[in-house]
Amino acid sequence: AQSVTQLGSHVSVSEGALVLLRCNYSSSVPPYLFWYVQYPNQGLQLLLKYTSAATLVKGINGFEAEFKKSETSFHLTKPSAHMSDAAEYFCAVSDIGSNYKLTFGKGTLLTVNP
Amino acid sequence: DTEVTQTPKHLVMGMTNKKSLKCEQHMGHRAMYWYKQKAKKPPELMFVYSYEKLSINESVPSRFSPECPNSSLLNLHLHALQPEDSALYLCASSHDRSTEAFFGQGTRLTVV
Repeated sequence: AQSVTQLGSHVSVSEGALVLLRCNYSSSVPPYLFWYVQYPNQGLQLLLKYTSAATLVKGINGFEAEFKKSETSFHLTKPSAHMSDAAEYFCAVSDIGSNYKLTFGKGTLLTVNP
Repeated sequence: DTEVTQTPKHLVMGMTNKKSLKCEQHMGHRAMYWYKQKAKKPPELMFVYSYEKLSINESVPSRFSPECPNSSLLNLHLHALQPEDSALYLCASSHDRSTEAFFGQGTRLTVV
């Protein structure tokens, strides 16, 4: 069975600082991995996805993530935080073993301080 | 057009009411989903339609009834709901089951 662990339910950074949101996954077969962002009272927006091509994936709004099979990790980074990045971030995994059911982590709330 | 449109955005209903949530996409996606999201929690899968057929029902109570009239539309019929059913209901679609899902803005449902 697949699962996702997001370390840290709340991350706080200063504007201009590095953003690092951690995600570790468990999957018995090659996974598809996703990061979604959710602003208050809105739906989820896809930031980026990993589907077994390049291990360093670039997404929207300056975010990127690196797939590390040896560490079963898919951490999300952004070099310089902006106030508009404040939101809830969800890591998600799917694989053929689960019939591509999307399993979400519990989410990480990112706060950006001026 | 990469949009999934949900209506209404907000809905308040009594426990004896019947209402429907609607979802529409024009991206040619053949998989469509209903999720339920409680406050400060991740979305929980409720139903999956693949090529207009129900392929997954995550043991959802029968007071929730999904319908897929055609490849662009997905409905969720609600009847005799409980206050604990109050949540954000999200619709999503994907090209097929193995590709990324695109989410709508959700319907904020309050059951009184």
